[in-house]
Amino acid sequence: DTAVSQTPKYLVTQMGNDKSIKCEQNLGHDTMYWYKQDSKKFLKIMFSYNNKELIINETVPNRFSPKSPDKAHLNLHINSLELGDSAVYFCASSQSRISGRAGETQYFGPGTRLLVL
Amino acid sequence: AQTVTQSQPEMSVQEAETVTLSCTYDTSESDYYLFWYKQPPSRQMILVIRQEAYKQQNATENRFSVNFQKAAKSFSLKISDSQLGDAAMYFCAWAYGQNFVFGPGTRLSVLP
Repeated sequence: DTAVSQTPKYLVTQMGNDKSIKCEQNLGHDTMYWYKQDSKKFLKIMFSYNNKELIINETVPNRFSPKSPDKAHLNLHINSLELGDSAVYFCASSQSRISGRAGETQYFGPGTRLLVL
Repeated sequence: AQTVTQSQPEMSVQEAETVTLSCTYDTSESDYYLFWYKQPPSRQMILVIRQEAYKQQNATENRFSVNFQKAAKSFSLKISDSQLGDAAMYFCAWAYGQNFVFGPGTRLSVLP
């Protein structure tokens, strides 16, 4: 009964390939996020979805495309993988709605370590 | 733009002692939230403590407490009676709505 789950935990692939990372939350939250944590442990938000609608889209290459089939899922698809995409990707969720309270706690998945060779 | 700074890349503490991790932030908002997250070697991001900016009282969770100075935009974390299991990266974070900004992290080592 994991709150926020991600698959796979590890992903090793060749440059140029296309891959997806899946995220699911069973907390009933309205908002989901994708973060990238680089080798220096710096954590940066990539996307935020509220009720299947894109809210935050930070400056990331358009090779990265989030997809939210329903509010419990937010998948991350990456096209034409590059060496610099190697990182740990975290999914997170929070209860907040757009017009709701400020700064709801975010609950994180276990992370997906992506290694591009 | 909001920024969060953690000026101590690494800290160490003797087991059973107390350590304080620093965090400062910059924002023009008045109603926001602050968090400390812990990331042990397992990589899992674990919420340690949360502070609402409109509350003057400092948040406390067992051995973890914060010193929130709103005017100074400072939010330090104090860990009392440090345990080996406290060894981890600690991230300070600022949040308003869906905007979450993390600091660069402080790596805490606990010495036996």
